[in-house]
Amino acid sequence: DQQVKQNSPSLSVQEGRISILNCDYTNSMFDYFLWYKKYPAEGPTFLISISSIKDKNEDGRFTVFLNKSAKHLSLHIVPSQPGDSAVYFCAASAVIQGAQKLVFGQGTRLTINP
Amino acid sequence: DAGVIQSPRHEVTEMGQEVTLRCKPISGHNSLFWYRQTMMRGLELLIYFNNNVPIDDSGMPEDRFSAKMPNASFSTLKIQPSEPRDSAVYFCAILAGGRNEQFFGPGTRLTVL
Repeated sequence: DQQVKQNSPSLSVQEGRISILNCDYTNSMFDYFLWYKKYPAEGPTFLISISSIKDKNEDGRFTVFLNKSAKHLSLHIVPSQPGDSAVYFCAASAVIQGAQKLVFGQGTRLTINP
Repeated sequence: DAGVIQSPRHEVTEMGQEVTLRCKPISGHNSLFWYRQTMMRGLELLIYFNNNVPIDDSGMPEDRFSAKMPNASFSTLKIQPSEPRDSAVYFCAILAGGRNEQFFGPGTRLTVL
């Protein structure tokens, strides 16, 4: 039972255009959402997050949108750059027994074409 | 600095052998997580510790897997005996103090032949 889903395994975008990565979740207990970026042979690195009390958070070229009623979030990257090519993981967070637990999606491989 | 050191970075072993993966946060942290990444299942949480105590090990696939955290600066994940289907990248992560995001180590790529 996949509580966090990224239905697109891959996405290809031209440099300078907008990249939109999508994520759906099923559990209403999640109260915090994060995006991680992963390069080959490295661990995932935190990119941007959003609390469930907000619907948008922006950091430079990256914006995360949250639609709680649809249980959907998305990551927008604009303009896309070649260095953005990586695997992006969506994660949802809940505090269980005093510790934060993250549930990850399957990941979306983003390729930015020059 | 919320760095995490994992060793070894690569491990190749034969089926049936014992494998021990190590995680050492550069600064002691109360919450530590072990994940496994495979092509089929993505990033899966195996187990997490809070204050060195295992809180949730429901993600540990089988009794062949065990994890310990004897202190805030060290944790191990052991597989005994290992099987080819255990081949994956194993990540250790910690909570960056006072923040919600987890900080991941570089991972250990395990190959079981």
